[in-house]
Amino acid sequence: KQEVTQIPAALSVPEGENLVLNCSFTDSAIYNLQWFRQDPGKGLTSLLLIQSSQREQTSGRLNASLDKSSGRSTLYIAASQPGDSATYLCAVGATGANNLFFGTGTRLTVIP
Amino acid sequence: EAGVAQSPRYKIIEKRQSVAFWCNPISGHATLYWYQQILGQGPKLLIQFQNNGVVDDSQLPKDRFSAERLKGVDSTLKIQPAKLEDSAVYLCASSLERGRGELFFGEGSRLTVL
Repeated sequence: KQEVTQIPAALSVPEGENLVLNCSFTDSAIYNLQWFRQDPGKGLTSLLLIQSSQREQTSGRLNASLDKSSGRSTLYIAASQPGDSATYLCAVGATGANNLFFGTGTRLTVIP
Repeated sequence: EAGVAQSPRYKIIEKRQSVAFWCNPISGHATLYWYQQILGQGPKLLIQFQNNGVVDDSQLPKDRFSAERLKGVDSTLKIQPAKLEDSAVYLCASSLERGRGELFFGEGSRLTVL
């Protein structure tokens, strides 16, 4: 069974810093990986989707990379802002399962 | 483009009572998912529909949970009778294509069982 781990569980950084969130998964047979943002009391907002054939995706200040062979993905946030404060969830689409397996998330706080 | 709509946003019930949640996916999305998110955890799949057929309900506690997707559009998730451990946020998501598509989530329905 696919297991997804996110480290660290919580992170506090001063505004303006660049930061990296980590995601690891146990089974490399995936068809995509998706990063989400979740604000308190809200649903999930899709940030980036990386297909298994891709190495990275970029959207604005966000860059996500995927290394299937090592079972890792990173989400890089450049020039962090207080509005980036949220929980970031990584989810992998497991081949044959047709649904996403989620990590427990990293709670990010950006201090003004 | 309208997103995934869910209602109610919040519900508080006593244990052993019943509750129903409704979801309207993004127009044209054939695949619909219900996830359960317990506080501090990542979402866990309960059931997946492709049009109005069930694709995966292996994680659904069928003794108390049921779901349907009549006409392949709206879906309803029901819990009867509720237990304390059912307190969670119930998230509905939809995708254009099964298996490889990007998932879009609704705001969720937060259930508290007392």
